[in-house]
Amino acid sequence: QVQLVQSGAEVKKPGASVKVSCKTSGYGFTDYWLHWVRHAPGQGPEWMGWINPKNGDTNHAQKFRGRVTMTRDTPINTAYMELSGLGSDDTAVYYCARGVLPAHFDYWGQGTLVTVSS
Amino acid sequence: DIQMTQSPTSLSASVGDRVTITCRASQYIRNNLNWYQQKPGKAPSVLIYAASSLKSGVPLRFSGSGSGTDFTLTISSLQPEDFATYYCQQSYSFPRTFGQGTKVEIK
Repeated sequence: QVQLVQSGAEVKKPGASVKVSCKTSGYGFTDYWLHWVRHAPGQGPEWMGWINPKNGDTNHAQKFRGRVTMTRDTPINTAYMELSGLGSDDTAVYYCARGVLPAHFDYWGQGTLVTVSS
Repeated sequence: DIQMTQSPTSLSASVGDRVTITCRASQYIRNNLNWYQQKPGKAPSVLIYAASSLKSGVPLRFSGSGSGTDFTLTISSLQPEDFATYYCQQSYSFPRTFGQGTKVEIK
């Protein structure tokens, strides 16, 4: 069965970086784009960007340009999202999600809580 | 960016009630609208994609309608397991955007 398993919770200080992993199984890793979505308390989910695992192409929301890096390690079916220059407003649960057609997210990781606090 | 506005932000309903949630896009998005259900501590789960297509395994009491800018999610007879927060999300263009959510609570 399809599974997306993310790395564990992180606590970071302002200005630091965080790298979240998303290990996939149960399907062809290079067959589907992976998206990153974050969800801060009291807000709607916020889409951050996608990575095409086949060739490593990425696209990010404008607000994260210059701060986010999405990569993948194809032999181990794992995608990564690194966010730098963390501020308190980056405190959120970060999810990876598989994108399918017609465009929607059909499988999600369990989420990774990132807390930014001094 | 396309703004998605849901209403109401919360509602109280009883088991067996018919519940309707609306979602309005700030510009034309054809039928590129998805609905997700989220329970506390869990990831969102898709219910409806492409405005009206029921995801496999989702109960038939859930339905979606609309096109263009105005969309509706309907639960025909609310069940105890349906108490959750619901989000709409447009897939017409990037960046993908979500509504602020509608929390369905027990009356």
